[in-house]
Amino acid sequence: AQSVTQLGSHVSVSEGALVLLRCNYSSSVPPYLFWYVQYPNQGLQLLLKYTSAATLVKGINGFEAEFKKSETSFHLTKPSAHMSDAAEYFCAVGGSNYKLTFGKGTLLTVNP
Amino acid sequence: NAGVTQTPKFQVLKTGQSMTLQCAQDMNHEYMSWYRQDPGMGLRLIHYSVGAGITDQGEVPNGYNVSRSTTEDFPLRLLSAAPSQTSVYFCASSSSGVQEQFFGPGTRLTVL
Repeated sequence: AQSVTQLGSHVSVSEGALVLLRCNYSSSVPPYLFWYVQYPNQGLQLLLKYTSAATLVKGINGFEAEFKKSETSFHLTKPSAHMSDAAEYFCAVGGSNYKLTFGKGTLLTVNP
Repeated sequence: NAGVTQTPKFQVLKTGQSMTLQCAQDMNHEYMSWYRQDPGMGLRLIHYSVGAGITDQGEVPNGYNVSRSTTEDFPLRLLSAAPSQTSVYFCASSSSGVQEQFFGPGTRLTVL
């Protein structure tokens, strides 16, 4: 069985501040981990993915995430928030059984 | 490539009506899935398919039916709509279960 916990359903930051969105996972097999972003009234777009290569993964729009097996975490960061980063972010875990399990999402607000 | 397409974009049904949500992809992906998205719940897997003629249940399959007669199409059928099925429905596809899933734009369904 696999599961994802996203800590904080709503995160608010100032423009230019560090963005940190937290994700912890549970998986009985080596996990594949993903971060998706959803802008209002749109589908989900992949930000980045971890598939057992480098533990620090760089994605689009300046985001990156670090896989920490000992902490079962895959937190998403961006050094400097931009207004256009305001969206909902979803962490997801997958295994070899073709199923993705999503977290409940974190809504990121960026204040001017 | 159009990617993953979904029709309709919006639909209003009355309780007890049936309908089919259409999903098609032009990327020759073997794996396709249907999710529903509800506020505060993230995305929950309804049904998925690992190839033509092969389907399986996800986390919340009750009240929904699927079939996969071709690689390209994966329709979702609501047998007898209920207000609890009011949601946004997303179709997704991937080349394998461990690779990123590409999402359609979604169908917003309201059941009165």
